Amino acid sequence: SSELTQDPTVSVALGQTVRITCQGDSLRNYYATWYRQKPGQAPVLVIYGRNKRPSGIPDRLSGSKLGNTASLTITGAQAEDEADYYCNSRDSSGNRQLFGGGTKLTVL
Amino acid sequence: QVQLQESGPGLVKPSQTLSLTCSVSVGSIGSGGGSIDYYWSWIRQPAGKGLEWIGRIYTSGSTNYNPSLKSRVTISIDTSKNQFSLEVSSVTAADTAVYYCARLRTYHEDDGSLTYYFDYWGQGTPVTVSS
Repeated sequence: SSELTQDPTVSVALGQTVRITCQGDSLRNYYATWYRQKPGQAPVLVIYGRNKRPSGIPDRLSGSKLGNTASLTITGAQAEDEADYYCNSRDSSGNRQLFGGGTKLTVL
Repeated sequence: QVQLQESGPGLVKPSQTLSLTCSVSVGSIGSGGGSIDYYWSWIRQPAGKGLEWIGRIYTSGSTNYNPSLKSRVTISIDTSKNQFSLEVSSVTAADTAVYYCARLRTYHEDDGSLTYYFDYWGQGTPVTVSS
């Protein structure tokens, strides 16, 4: 299968920990990349590869992978973490990029 | 800091061809980065929906497209202008979306696997297909 599946909505209480997951066969062999998108803005890279963060992304965001499931964990969620999160990976050939359907994170 | 900027008509009539250009600032769009490969990509997002990868072009001009769009999409590159372009033919209302250009780069993991990720994005340009 060439699909990536995410839960449409997830909520977390302010200051608590939340995990956003992404499932897909390609994730058995390749890492997921994660993007954050706020309303009216372009997506922003937050996690790539084996838990790498671009500069400016706080270390409360982390990535992991087990089997066919990749996870983005936010430890101590803040109000500014409220956004849509998309996972992304590659197919086996490396010639196609796949996106999950996105998860809308609400911080309560 | 790499900057990308989409440009093109915001309104296209059904059955016509949608054409967008992405202008890239900094360096040369035709240059690689040693062990890093750069691809220039298009992604779109219908209102209220998720991201859809359209395709990519390498500095050599080789292309890869989303199979669901392949028959209607052409991506080209003009290294002399530091630009790459998207054409989508025979458009319908289903092609109405915000279109983003982005740089896709490779990253070699410690375990030997190859990761791709979009490190720079344009701000996006809305395109509406309507008569």
